[in-house]
Amino acid sequence: NAGVMQNPRHLVRRRGQEARLRCSPMKGHSHVYWYRQLPEEGLKFMVYLQKENIIDESGMPKERFSAEFPKEGPSILRIQQVVRGDSAAYFCASSPPSFYNEQFFGPGTRLTVL
Amino acid sequence: AQSVTQLGSHVSVSEGALVLLRCNYSSSVPPYLFWYVQYPNQGLQLLLKYTSAATLVKGINGFEAEFKKSETSFHLTKPSAHMSDAAEYFCAVSDEGGTASKLTFGTGTRLQVTL
Repeated sequence: NAGVMQNPRHLVRRRGQEARLRCSPMKGHSHVYWYRQLPEEGLKFMVYLQKENIIDESGMPKERFSAEFPKEGPSILRIQQVVRGDSAAYFCASSPPSFYNEQFFGPGTRLTVL
Repeated sequence: AQSVTQLGSHVSVSEGALVLLRCNYSSSVPPYLFWYVQYPNQGLQLLLKYTSAATLVKGINGFEAEFKKSETSFHLTKPSAHMSDAAEYFCAVSDEGGTASKLTFGTGTRLQVTL
């Protein structure tokens, strides 16, 4: 069973560009979470999604950030008009419907904004 | 609101020595507690979890943790450190079965193992 997959692993963008981060959950997992890890800090929750629904977006910045988990395909975290402060590692996690507190993490996407 | 405090951002032990990484939590509801390990430039790997069953939890790689409600603690231990244990360790808390199943992480403890 393949683990949580994220791509790209590394992404470089210039200020003002858009960043799209993709996450494919483990097979059978219907819950997806996005976390951000700033340098020298722990992970901060951003958003929790189920298929076609945003369940909790309390950690998402109000502007420029959006997330989706369509019926088909991976979950997407989209950052519009990136700024240098968006440089971080973005981790996706997934969990099964039977026990959605046990989260399995992907390898992360490291975003660098120049 | 839930929170996690990890005392000591850096811990250094000798190979073969006891590893003790501290975690205290704050939660208004019965918590689920987790320890994750992160190796450089990698994602997080679950070491162990507490889900209101046994208070002493055994995990992978010889690690274990004890849930102490009276102390609101969930410290991680390993009797004998190995060089391969050098990594960053994160304690996390979640609501027990709630819809708010996000994890709240501590700031991490970087473990160094020396010869």
